[in-house]
Amino acid sequence: DAGITQSPRHKVTETGTPVTLRCHQTENHRYMYWYRQDPGHGLRLIHYSYGVKDTDKGEVSDGYSVSRSKTEDFLLTLESATSSQTSVYFCAISQTHGETEAFFGQGTRLTVV
Amino acid sequence: GENVEQHPSTLSVQEGDSAVIKCTYSDSASNYFPWYKQELGKRPQLIIDIRSNVGEKKDQRIAVTLNKTAKHFSLHITETQPEDSAVYFCAASYNNNDMRFGAGTRLTVKP
Repeated sequence: DAGITQSPRHKVTETGTPVTLRCHQTENHRYMYWYRQDPGHGLRLIHYSYGVKDTDKGEVSDGYSVSRSKTEDFLLTLESATSSQTSVYFCAISQTHGETEAFFGQGTRLTVV
Repeated sequence: GENVEQHPSTLSVQEGDSAVIKCTYSDSASNYFPWYKQELGKRPQLIIDIRSNVGEKKDQRIAVTLNKTAKHFSLHITETQPEDSAVYFCAASYNNNDMRFGAGTRLTVKP
């Protein structure tokens, strides 16, 4: 498996609290992605990064922010969690953007109560 | 934007039978079409992919076909086995090479 880890693996948080999910890679891939997975919707892109400090919005970016201060780390922040953000979050890495295999992390199950 | 439709949402077959999953896409500029398999509680993993300059690709029991004119591509699994049971996702590159995923197909192979 590609060297990509997510933390935490599970989290329960209250509505209105900030939450940060971490993705760490050891593959030195340029591109990093955050997806959310919900029943009936497949995987939807939240934000992605194409380099240190270089990020862009995806399909469902509202309510989320990201940061990449080092090649190996990509953080996803929910500034004020809502119940609609209850989901499974996957980080992914790729050598190129949308043209080669994406390697996924193990996922983080986030529950907002 | 790009819309990837995937059918069926659930598929149940007998062990040894074939399974076919179909996807359509809307962006005529899409040029990369991967398929991912996700076992229960696990991460999605690539099983096969195809590019727009190829019409068919095979890897042992799995194959993917692409019809660019009709904007659809399909996953074919032959001689299905219980370990093929999983959720399968198709995807298509979009716009500036973002990926859009289908909603997934839950395949069950009955022994």
